[in-house]
Amino acid sequence: AQSVTQLGSHVSVSEGALVLLRCNYSSSVPPYLFWYVQYPNQGLQLLLKYTTGATLVKGINGFEAEFKKSETSFHLTKPSAHMSDAAEYFCAVSDFSGGYQKVTFGIGTKLQVIP
Amino acid sequence: EAGVTQFPSHSVIEKGQTVTLRCDPISGHDNLYWYRRVMGKEIKFLLHFVKESKQDESGMPNNRFLAERTGGTYSTLKVQPAELEDSGVYFCASSQLQMNTEAFFGQGTRLTVV
Repeated sequence: AQSVTQLGSHVSVSEGALVLLRCNYSSSVPPYLFWYVQYPNQGLQLLLKYTTGATLVKGINGFEAEFKKSETSFHLTKPSAHMSDAAEYFCAVSDFSGGYQKVTFGIGTKLQVIP
Repeated sequence: EAGVTQFPSHSVIEKGQTVTLRCDPISGHDNLYWYRRVMGKEIKFLLHFVKESKQDESGMPNNRFLAERTGGTYSTLKVQPAELEDSGVYFCASSQLQMNTEAFFGQGTRLTVV
């Protein structure tokens, strides 16, 4: 069974400040990890993913996340927040043990960027 | 290339009525998934199609929900009769058959049962 815990359902940062969204996961098999973003009135968009290999993954819009197996974490960061980053962010884990991608999502974190 | 398209974007119905949600996957994507987010909760898996066949419907809440994918193209999710607790956002996603390929999500249908 897989699970995802996102710490903080709402996070506020000032424009230009560091963005840190926390995610811890549980998986019985080597996980595939994702961050999705949902902007207002839009669908889910893949921000970045970790499958294998390099543990620091870079995504769109300057975001990156680091897979830390020992801590079962996959925190999302961005050095400098922009107003356009205001959105809801979902951490997710999946495996392909069934031959297809069955995704388990976290509860989501709403990011507010304060001017 | 068109993405995953869902219709309608919003639906408001009365308790006891029937609603049908539609999903058009990306052309050539044989995997099709339905997910649902009830307000304040996680986005949860409902079911998975490979072409027209249901592979995993372990997430379907109850027998008031019926998903179909005739011809292996678009899919419909019918709720009959709708209950208040069915309110939420229903997402559809699709992916290619090859292993480890990314699933692309639609905008979602926001269903409100009053």
